[in-house]
Amino acid sequence: DAGVIQSPRHEVTEMGQEVTLRCKPISGHDYLFWYRQTMMRGLELLIYFNNNVPIDDSGMPEDRFSAKMPNASFSTLKIQPSEPRDSAVYFCASSSFGEKETQYFGPGTRLLVL
Amino acid sequence: GENVEQHPSTLSVQEGDSAVIKCTYSDSASNYFPWYKQELGKGPQLIIDIRSNVGEKKDQRIAVTLNKTAKHFSLHITETQPEDSAVYFCAARAGGFKTIFGAGTRLFVKA
Repeated sequence: DAGVIQSPRHEVTEMGQEVTLRCKPISGHDYLFWYRQTMMRGLELLIYFNNNVPIDDSGMPEDRFSAKMPNASFSTLKIQPSEPRDSAVYFCASSSFGEKETQYFGPGTRLLVL
Repeated sequence: GENVEQHPSTLSVQEGDSAVIKCTYSDSASNYFPWYKQELGKGPQLIIDIRSNVGEKKDQRIAVTLNKTAKHFSLHITETQPEDSAVYFCAARAGGFKTIFGAGTRLFVKA
């Protein structure tokens, strides 16, 4: 398996623009997580899905952030409008309850909002 | 909610020496404690984990200990090698799949 796939790997945008981050989880995994990593706040869970249904979105910073999982093999995290403080590395991870609950992380998307 | 504190933030050791990273957690209901290693430009990768019904677990040069009473757990790396240089994260989970991560320890292994 190719592992968790994220795109794009790098994104530079201007304040106010819409940003869409994409994730393809490992096939067969039924949990998907979105994390944000910054120097100041470390690794934060934003939202996670089980069987395509959002279970806990308490980490989503504000209404500018939204996440969807239309099917088992694809998820998006959208920021609209983006702000400079959204600059961070965003990770997607997937997991299967039957596999020791290990979360497999993707390579991340490095987002810079100017 | 759960809070995980991790120390030290930076650790520098000589190749061949041991490295110890310590974490404390606040939620006594936490029952799963994974450790992740993150190399530059990559996502975190699970290296070892321990459950609350186990006090110690070892995998080659890596071991983790858990003290439920004191609510702390530690990562021990023996015979460190330059390729062990990375950022290490401890984490705790009380239930469901919401995992709370520590702030990370940057480990430098000097050759």
